[in-house]
Parts: sequence; C-alpha cells; structure tokens
Amino acid sequence: DTAVSQTPKYLVTQMGNDKSIKCEQNLGHDTMYWYKQDSKKFLKIMFSYNNKELIINETVPNRFSPKSPDKAHLNLHINSLELGDSAVYFCASSQDRLAGERAGELFFGEGSRLTVL
Amino acid sequence: SQQGEEDPQALSIQEGENATMNCSYKTSINNLQWYRQNSGRGLVHLILIRSNEREKHSGRLRVTLDTSKKSSSLLITASRAADTASYFCATGAAWTTDSWGKLQFGAGTQVVVTP
Repeated sequence: DTAVSQTPKYLVTQMGNDKSIKCEQNLGHDTMYWYKQDSKKFLKIMFSYNNKELIINETVPNRFSPKSPDKAHLNLHINSLELGDSAVYFCASSQDRLAGERAGELFFGEGSRLTVL
Repeated sequence: SQQGEEDPQALSIQEGENATMNCSYKTSINNLQWYRQNSGRGLVHLILIRSNEREKHSGRLRVTLDTSKKSSSLLITASRAADTASYFCATGAAWTTDSWGKLQFGAGTQVVVTP
C-alpha cells in the first residue's frame, strides 16, 4: 500500500495552461504539505494544511491554489503556467505535535515532474 | 531563504568506507532531521534528533547535533553501493500557530558509493 500517492507522475504542458496535481495519504496524518524541488535539488515548502485548514503559505504566487477536501487529500492547482514553474512537486504528510516522538517526520510521495514548454 | 546548508555538496567513496556530511543552520530549531533521496524518487526519512539531544544512532547511521554551533553531522558507517543517494538535512520549527513544525531543507549532499 502506497502511503502518500500523487498523480500524475509526469506532466508536460504549454505555457499559459492550467494544471492540477492530486495527493492522497492513507496514514491518518493530520498535516499535509506541498514542496517544490528545483533543478538544483533545493526543496522549498509551498503550503501546509492541518485538518483541512491552511497553516503555512510561503510567498507562493497566487497562481498556485491548494485545496484540501478532507484531511487525507491535498491537491494543487496551477493557473497560467510559466516556464519557471518547471520543477518536481512533492506532496508530504506528517503527524503533528501530539504524535510525540515522531511528530514532524515527513512522509513523501514520489513526486510529480512538471515540465512547462 | 534556505535554512540548512550541507557540506560537502558531493562525496565519492568506496564501499566499506564511512561517509560524513555536515549541516549548518541559522535560526533556533525544535528538531533536525535527515532524509535520503534516491534518483527520481521521493525523500525518505532517516533520523530525527531533537534540540535537547546531542547524539542519536539508527543502524549504520549516527547523527550529532551541536546547537551552540548550529550544526549537525550525519555519519554512515560501512557504506554500501545502495547508500548512493542525495542526503538532506531539514530543520524543524516549533509547533506554534505560525510555523506548525515547518521543515526547511538544505540543498543536499550527493553521495556516490562505488563497489
């Protein structure tokens, strides 16, 4: 069973298009995240949701809109795609501080590689 | 801005040797974590050390944390070809309403273990 699954794995699209990436976790975690990994492998947090509520929004352009229909799902919609949006987008989940010893340990999906032409 | 910075950026060793990589960070932390990423895959959690701990072991991994120097090290003993991957340190913030345990990653150390 895949703990954190995201689709699609690869996405190739033209500038200006709108696209979505979906993420689901079956770990029963309270918090979910989107991270962006650039071509130099630098990982930057974009958003964090706790029990469907937005907690962290890291100065991401408002073309990026996350949506959490329930605490097991966190989707990412991107409008008007730009060349600079090309990256690998990772979904992750974690238990929060109530989890004690394992609080804050992230479980990552396999990534969605977005290429904007 | 980037919180953690790993050193070296790349490391090439022979199987059986030890691999050591370091991480420095800038602000106070709740915990520090190390992750491994195989090529084309997601990150996998290796070990977490809390700010009040100095050393932790897990199998062939040994992590140290020096909060006075704002630095950590990851040692992989008796390396294997399967240890070839990128290794990232990540600093965890406190569980406040603003930061909610936010993890900030460094740029990683690429480790190549040759048989």
